[in-house]
Amino acid sequence: KNEVEQSPQNLTAQEGEFITINCSYSVGISALHWLQQHPGGGIVSLFMLSSGKKKHGRLIATINIQEKHSSLHITASHPRDSAVYICAVRVDSNYQLIWGAGTKLIIKP
Amino acid sequence: EAQVTQNPRYLITVTGKKLTVTCSQNMNHEYMSWYRQDPGLGLRQIYYSMNVEVTDKGDVPEGYKVSRKEKRNFPLILESPSPNQTSLYFCASSLSAYNSGANVLTFGAGSRLTVL
Repeated sequence: KNEVEQSPQNLTAQEGEFITINCSYSVGISALHWLQQHPGGGIVSLFMLSSGKKKHGRLIATINIQEKHSSLHITASHPRDSAVYICAVRVDSNYQLIWGAGTKLIIKP
Repeated sequence: EAQVTQNPRYLITVTGKKLTVTCSQNMNHEYMSWYRQDPGLGLRQIYYSMNVEVTDKGDVPEGYKVSRKEKRNFPLILESPSPNQTSLYFCASSLSAYNSGANVLTFGAGSRLTVL
């Protein structure tokens, strides 16, 4: 079993829909990252969370430390949100990063 | 502009011919790391460095070497490349790995390597 599991693996939605991508982990962490990788390949850090909730524009990230679960939400989704979204956790015992496999999101106009 | 710069962006080489992919950051970051990304496998860590002269193996270090002689540079060395090292490589850095408030990652643009 992977230590970081993302769901769904693939998600196709219509423009304007509310999107939720989930990340569950099984190790103790000091922080959780959400990143976005566009079709061109570049990777951009969206959020880094250690507790609670963060919001940036139409993106919201939440984390529940007790349940070892995080969600990334996109409100009023747009075709330019189409990308792979990756969750990664910083292990608190050795500072290593463990990566999820990514969620491929396609937003259709 | 704060950034992580990788070179080359694209390289085609032949088996056994030593090559180096450079990575440089201008943000005075302590933590630097190399990843490879292969279809269906996501990002896998090759090596990382917590600070100057401190490097550690990641998940897939075989066939690679790194050095961290100065804070800004973290080159990835393939002494004798093989076709299974054909991949997309990313360098990343963060201010610190220890302080969870300071470890937002900045990625380079990626280096696509093909070994024939």
